[in-house]
Amino acid sequence: QVLMVQSGAEVRKPGASVNVSCKASGYAFSDYYIHWVRQAPGQGPEWMGRINPNSGGTNYAQKFQGRITVTRDTSITTTYLEVISLRFDDSALYYCARDAIVGAPGDYFDQWGQGTLVTVSS
Amino acid sequence: SNELTQPPSVSVSPGQTARITCSGDALAKQYVYWYQQKPGQAPVLVIYKDNERPSGIPVRISGSSSGTTVTLSIIAVQAGDEADYYCQSADSSGSVVFGGGTKLTVL
Repeated sequence: QVLMVQSGAEVRKPGASVNVSCKASGYAFSDYYIHWVRQAPGQGPEWMGRINPNSGGTNYAQKFQGRITVTRDTSITTTYLEVISLRFDDSALYYCARDAIVGAPGDYFDQWGQGTLVTVSS
Repeated sequence: SNELTQPPSVSVSPGQTARITCSGDALAKQYVYWYQQKPGQAPVLVIYKDNERPSGIPVRISGSSSGTTVTLSIIAVQAGDEADYYCQSADSSGSVVFGGGTKLTVL
């Protein structure tokens, strides 16, 4: 059974940074790209970026370039999203999602984590 | 433009057919994917590559494509189909884009 288990809710002040983790199990971790998608309250999903778990290579949405970093630790099958310089409008539910295609970025998602709520508040 | 446009809401009575559209220039060249999201849950993939169903998705749910508009159809709608539905594709730069979502209400 494929599982993507994310870290718990976080509260940060504006200007701070946050790190969200996503532990994958039940499949060959290196075979599937991992994506990060966020969803603000009452809004649609917004794609942030992807990581190749084999090489560690990343691609980010232009909107988030310079403000997010996605990494992975293959030894513990965990992917991380760091967001810096947090703003009030970064408050959202952050999801990790597994790419549906083996070995290449098919860029659609067949397994999702449960989501991590990040609240930016002064 | 890399935007995907969906109607904010669609309402149907039980047993009727719901049709949810998604429009965007990118759809003429890129596949579209559809997700169902119920309150408090993560999205679930219900259609991939315009009209393919993942295993476990009922045949009542289907997808079709015509030019720059794609349609998600749900026949014999049930109360359990009430959810938000999002289309998703990719733009020419390799970024993933989502539609704004359609709330399906079963009257």
